[in-house]
Amino acid sequence: SYELTQPPSVSVSPGQTARITCSGDALPKHYAYWYLQRPGQAPVLVIYKDNERPSGIPERFSGSSSGTTVTLTISGVQAEDEADYYCQSADSSGTWVFGGGTKLTVL
Amino acid sequence: QVQLVQSGAEVKKPGASVKVSCKASGYTFTNYYLHWVRQAPGQGLEWMGIINPSAGSTNYAQKLQGRVTMTRDTSTSTVYMELSSLTSEDTAVYYCARNSGTYDDFDYWGQGTLVTVSS
Repeated sequence: SYELTQPPSVSVSPGQTARITCSGDALPKHYAYWYLQRPGQAPVLVIYKDNERPSGIPERFSGSSSGTTVTLTISGVQAEDEADYYCQSADSSGTWVFGGGTKLTVL
Repeated sequence: QVQLVQSGAEVKKPGASVKVSCKASGYTFTNYYLHWVRQAPGQGLEWMGIINPSAGSTNYAQKLQGRVTMTRDTSTSTVYMELSSLTSEDTAVYYCARNSGTYDDFDYWGQGTLVTVSS
């Protein structure tokens, strides 16, 4: 079955840039989406269609794609950005899949 | 405004079944597919399946085939997820989530329902 691979954790100091990667063989053919999830809350969509930002999401969140890897970039990280981040995609058989999640720690 | 409101927490014994509801409001119910996603304690998100509220058609994750059933009631704009033969590994928060309709993303989520399986 289709899998998406993320690093378990990323740490960054406030004001720095955080980059979270997500790898999957089908990513060149299917868009990726990113969600942040704070403890005890439902996920929130922060990037769709690889690099588009929903209304209300700060400009410091951006996405990019290169081959089988997509990247979520958070510029000028703030303490409130500390959360779990998940990539998500879908395959041609009508199956949706999530990456394992990355815990972003703001030092 | 779009809202997905789920039923309350459940405690079930191993071998039992659970049925969780998700009531949609603020949009035309039959125009958007709905999904179920679960999250075991301290773990990541797991996609469970999708239902087309208009046709009632479904597609389930292979891992859950035979144990999960998703249904809908268009008169009340509610979708249901029933999971049978529960084990402790089914202990999780269960979310319903709306497909944006344009792409394969989830634009709105329910608040989550904790299902605890314990003897």
